[in-house]
Amino acid sequence: EAQVTQNPRYLITVTGKKLTVTCSQNMNHEYMSWYRQDPGLGLRQIYYSMNVEVTDKGDVPEGYKVSRKEKRNFPLILESPSPNQTSLYFCASSTWGPPTDTQYFGPGTRLTVL
Amino acid sequence: RKEVEQDPGPFNVPEGATVAFNCTYSNSASQSFFWYRQDCRKEPKLLMSVYSSGNEDGRFTAQLNRASQYISLLIRDSKLSDSATYLCVVKAKIGANNLFFGTGTRLTVIP
Repeated sequence: EAQVTQNPRYLITVTGKKLTVTCSQNMNHEYMSWYRQDPGLGLRQIYYSMNVEVTDKGDVPEGYKVSRKEKRNFPLILESPSPNQTSLYFCASSTWGPPTDTQYFGPGTRLTVL
Repeated sequence: RKEVEQDPGPFNVPEGATVAFNCTYSNSASQSFFWYRQDCRKEPKLLMSVYSSGNEDGRFTAQLNRASQYISLLIRDSKLSDSATYLCVVKAKIGANNLFFGTGTRLTVIP
């Protein structure tokens, strides 16, 4: 089954404790990205990757890191989480560019930073 | 100014009604347009792409007006299962794949 998986699905942590949210896709997609979704602000892109070892900042990259060592995996790293990073996070993948621009989203990770 | 703007709603409509959502975008060079559906606490899923000529998929019709920079989604004969948040999405840049999402319009179809 074609899918994007994220782990963990739920996480409560404390300020400053490094964490990693994993993302994996089995569709051989070149493009992967991370979004955060907050009430009233919609989905905002954090980072994206156009292929292995190629990453770039989205609209809200501060406080986050990513890596793309393998095509299928795109982990999101919070080196020192803060309460303003409490949010719902989605990983997404797609083929690169038109005609197929469909983003396939993972199920989401609900993160609470105390 | 936001890249993509939508009326957040909520839209509460009876079963069988026709409902329309609009969405405006700020970048006139925007390339691709989409409607995604998001159920509560779930991931967004593509509902339909929006083409310049307009397109229809069953009870759903999407239209694009480049001159006025807005896209629309029309749902006919609303079903209870149509209750969700509808996200307007715009791909703004040539050569990049980053998308801009509206905040979504909440629809509730009432029995």
